[in-house]
Amino acid sequence: QQPVQSPQAVILREGEDAVINCSSSKALYSVHWYRQKHGEAPVFLMILLKGGEQKGHDKISASFNEKKQQSSLYLTASQLSYSGTYFCGTLVGSGGSNYKLTFGKGTLLTVNP
Amino acid sequence: DGGITQSPKYLFRKEGQNVTLSCEQNLNHDAMYWYRQDPGQGLRLIYYSQIVNDFQKGDIAEGYSVSREKKESFPLTVTSAQKNPTAFYLCASSHRGQGQINQPQHFGDGTRLSIL
Repeated sequence: QQPVQSPQAVILREGEDAVINCSSSKALYSVHWYRQKHGEAPVFLMILLKGGEQKGHDKISASFNEKKQQSSLYLTASQLSYSGTYFCGTLVGSGGSNYKLTFGKGTLLTVNP
Repeated sequence: DGGITQSPKYLFRKEGQNVTLSCEQNLNHDAMYWYRQDPGQGLRLIYYSQIVNDFQKGDIAEGYSVSREKKESFPLTVTSAQKNPTAFYLCASSHRGQGQINQPQHFGDGTRLSIL
């Protein structure tokens, strides 16, 4: 099952903050976050592992709530370069070492001057 | 520089024709993946391979086939059985360790396939 991302789209002015959520109905081993600019390849941002840890990358951070099977991506003081589509990918195991990443439908973030 | 190379960038397919998309990586990654991207659908997994000579079906494998004869290469064939092949196809790779729990995926620049 695809994880559910919300919101589907968000428009910000430069300097504003945003939160993107990613929820799954299955038990998760980890959550991956990627950003894709139009016509380009997705670029890795960060991985959140079980344990509720929060990771940061410049002014972009994320958390993983294991009990709720939910992850949130926080973008603070947004810059024009943050524009793009953000995807969460959830890793679910099916036994042994056979894991696969399932991506959500994405959240389109537009940062305007 | 290490990376993933997909070719061609644009591909056109005639009705009833099979076409093959190339994906080569020099990152020394064990695992490779193929995704299909349609507007508003996110990335959907077609096939993945964790080791040479082994691969598994993803969520939308029907109408596609793959091979993994070399570690560096994971070509995808879109067969005539795939009735709606128009999409953006992305290849990715990662280290295999710990079932890929903490291994990021690195993506190629994609191939855009259209029907003539």
